[in-house]
Amino acid sequence: QQKVQQSPESLIVPEGGMASLNCTSSDRNVDYFWWYRQHSGKSPKMLMSIFSNGEKEEGRFTVHLNKASLHTSLHIRDSQPSDSALYLCAASGGSNAKLTFGKGTKLSVKS
Amino acid sequence: AQTIHQWPVAEIKAVGSPLSLGCTIKGKSSPNLYWYWQATGGTLQQLFYSITVGQVESVVQLNLSASRPKDDQFILSTEKLLLSHSGFYLCAWSPSGTSNTGQLYFGEGSKLTVL
Repeated sequence: QQKVQQSPESLIVPEGGMASLNCTSSDRNVDYFWWYRQHSGKSPKMLMSIFSNGEKEEGRFTVHLNKASLHTSLHIRDSQPSDSALYLCAASGGSNAKLTFGKGTKLSVKS
Repeated sequence: AQTIHQWPVAEIKAVGSPLSLGCTIKGKSSPNLYWYWQATGGTLQQLFYSITVGQVESVVQLNLSASRPKDDQFILSTEKLLLSHSGFYLCAWSPSGTSNTGQLYFGEGSKLTVL
């Protein structure tokens, strides 16, 4: 069964700092990765997706993907207190249509 | 614009009592629909998905059932709640055409507490 591992479990960064979150899949058939953000008590909202090797940037958020190692990372620069949330990585691909989520990284941005 | 509405927002129910949660999607024709469950501090677990009216696929067995009586409506239910059913239930939709997509749009969720 496909597993999605996220690290670290929790992360504290100062306001204005850089937050780096990691995610790896154990399934060689994975083609797609997504990052979701879930504020406390709210539903997840999709942040970014990445399918190709390399880097993708949207504002303060940058996602990297290494398909050979099935590793993706999310970097948030100039972190704000409003970025404090649970960040979920999800993966899917191959014949398995089911999207698998990791347990998430809890980010706290301290002002 | 597409909207997704879940009901109820929160429920407190007794063990052994029945449950019905619902969601409605407006502004999107024939979406793929999903039910997810999230225990407190836990991972998002997909429960059911539906590609078309009347067809629902079960992903995990949790003594729950789902139905899609209309194109824009997805219902989650059980006749007897267990303590382990407590958690946050999320309905989501994705664009039709493939069931293999991670571009999910979630409703606001229903918080269930079973006592």
